[in-house]
Amino acid sequence: DAGVIQSPRHEVTEMGQEVTLRCKPISGHDYLFWYRQTMMRGLELLIYFNNNVPIDDSGMPEDRFSAKMPNASFSTLKIQPSEPRDSAVYFCASTPSPPGANVLTFGAGSRLTVL
Amino acid sequence: DAKTTQPTSMDCAEGRAANLPCNHSTISGNEYVYWYRQIHSQGPQYIIHGLKNNETNEMASLIITEDRKSSTLILPHATLRDTAVYYCIVRVAHGAGSYQLTFGKGTKLSVIP
Repeated sequence: DAGVIQSPRHEVTEMGQEVTLRCKPISGHDYLFWYRQTMMRGLELLIYFNNNVPIDDSGMPEDRFSAKMPNASFSTLKIQPSEPRDSAVYFCASTPSPPGANVLTFGAGSRLTVL
Repeated sequence: DAKTTQPTSMDCAEGRAANLPCNHSTISGNEYVYWYRQIHSQGPQYIIHGLKNNETNEMASLIITEDRKSSTLILPHATLRDTAVYYCIVRVAHGAGSYQLTFGKGTKLSVIP
């Protein structure tokens, strides 16, 4: 398996533009997570899905952020409109249902810079 | 979740064992100890986890004290590639909300040539 695949790896955009980050989880993994990492706040859980259904989105910072999982092999995190404070590395991770509980496999991340 | 306390940073000589401590004095009986690491510019990587028995895999060993209030991650022969931030996380393994791992600041391990 190629692991968790994220795209793009790097994105530079201007304030106000829409940003879409993509994630392909490992096949067979029922859970998908979106994390954000900044120097100030460290790694923060934004939202996670189970069987394509959002379970907890309490970490999503505000309405400008939205996440979808239309099928078991694809998820998107969208920011519209983007702001400079959204600059961060966004990680996607997946894990199978137990017995793999809490053994997450992370992607390489998408580094977002909003100018 | 039980709160964890880790040193901010540690150094280790290449080829020597790296012992990374973690305090989790408020751990509950059904909470596991998980270790992840994050090498610069990469996503976090799972290392090992345990409940109360010592655990060993190809990457590391995990020693949990009998009272479970602290643990130590051991990298037996540290290499330069082990330079990373190491996170100790305490979490239940199953049940509602069990998947919401919370990463603290971790320990920055520097392996010195």
